[in-house]
Amino acid sequence: QVVLTQSPSASASLGASVKLTCTLSSGHSSYGIAWHQQQPEKGPRFLMKVNSDGSHSKGDGIPDRFSGSSSGAERYLTISSLQSEDEADYYCQSWGTGIHVFGGGTKLTVL
Amino acid sequence: EVQLVESGGGLVKPGESLRLSCVASGFTFSNVWVSWVRQAPGKGLEWVGRVKSKTAGETTDYIAPVKGRFTISRDDSKSTLYLQMNSLKTEDTAVYYCATGMAGAFDIWGQGTMVTVSS
Repeated sequence: QVVLTQSPSASASLGASVKLTCTLSSGHSSYGIAWHQQQPEKGPRFLMKVNSDGSHSKGDGIPDRFSGSSSGAERYLTISSLQSEDEADYYCQSWGTGIHVFGGGTKLTVL
Repeated sequence: EVQLVESGGGLVKPGESLRLSCVASGFTFSNVWVSWVRQAPGKGLEWVGRVKSKTAGETTDYIAPVKGRFTISRDDSKSTLYLQMNSLKTEDTAVYYCATGMAGAFDIWGQGTMVTVSS
């Protein structure tokens, strides 16, 4: 079954850009994923779906600062013009026959 | 407004049971496959299980740690998803979210309900 790997932490300065990575396990490089944001003490919020060809579809109200891309087995979430409210945990999610999986999450710190 | 609202969480002792509910509004609940996702304190998200739509057979899937103890069901007439949790263990302590979406991605989340299993 598919396994998703994320770096536990990332940091970037206010106003800068950051690129978070979600790596699909071997044999699953054609899978799409979803990115979710979880701000402190809040529930998850859907950001976007990223397909294997790099195309992505964002959730309602998600700012243009958030974008997705893909390369091989890696799926990316890029956040530009970082704001303080972007400090959050970011999870990737994928799915297969009879199962959904989440990556371990990346804690983003905005310096 | 599209939303999912969970309820039913609380404090129970190991071995006891609890039933969570998730009420949907703003979309056609009967068309979607719906999942429960949990998050233990300080930990990441963990998918618990799912029920398919009636047209897809209303079948269920679960992760191994809850198989045989948890049951997911739905009542489309009430736009409601349920999670019946029996033989609860301390490791089931978590915030439980319901989530759904078309084509795999969870694009609708509830706000969560806390379940604490402790003696």
